[in-house]
Amino acid sequence: AQSVTQLDSQVPVFEEAPVELRCNYSSSVSVYLFWYVQYPNQGLQLLLKYLSGSTLVKGINGFEAEFNKSQTSFHLRKPSVHISDTAEYFCAVSNTNAGGTSYGKLTFGQGTILTVHP
Amino acid sequence: DAGVIQSPRHEVTEMGQEVTLRCKPISGHDYLFWYRQTMMRGLELLIYFNNNVPIDDSGMPEDRFSAKMPNASFSTLKIQPSEPRDSAVYFCASRLWEGNTDTQYFGPGTRLTVL
Repeated sequence: AQSVTQLDSQVPVFEEAPVELRCNYSSSVSVYLFWYVQYPNQGLQLLLKYLSGSTLVKGINGFEAEFNKSQTSFHLRKPSVHISDTAEYFCAVSNTNAGGTSYGKLTFGQGTILTVHP
Repeated sequence: DAGVIQSPRHEVTEMGQEVTLRCKPISGHDYLFWYRQTMMRGLELLIYFNNNVPIDDSGMPEDRFSAKMPNASFSTLKIQPSEPRDSAVYFCASRLWEGNTDTQYFGPGTRLTVL
């Protein structure tokens, strides 16, 4: 079974400051990793994903994340946040088989609420 | 494409009533997922389908919950009878598995309140 731990439930930050949202996972097999964003009263939207290849993944809205296999981490970063980045962010993992096929079952972390202050 | 469509967006019902949530996935997608989001338990996968066939329903909390996918463009999640602890936001998501394009697209959710 896999699990995801988001180390911070809430992260307050000032506008234009950098931010890092932390995510650690555990799994006995290879995984795909995802970050989703949820704005108030909306569904989840994919920010970025790591399936294979370069460990630094760039996503939408200026976000990026780095996959670190040895530390089983997939932290999300943005060098300069905007008020509009205020939302809840979810890290998720799905297992793959030896052939790299994902079963599609996402396990989510508990979420990190990012609040950007002016 | 209109994205994943869910209805109703809000549902308020009384304990013991039957509740049916509906989902229309993105056309051409071959996977459909039902999730539940609560403050206490976060986002949980309830069940998912591949080509209209239920693959894993281990997340369905109990027999009061059932899900069907009669065709590729429609799925329902039914709760009968409903209980106050079923109050949550229920999300439907669809996915097209094509090699390395593993992305689930979420609907806006149905906020269920059971009184």
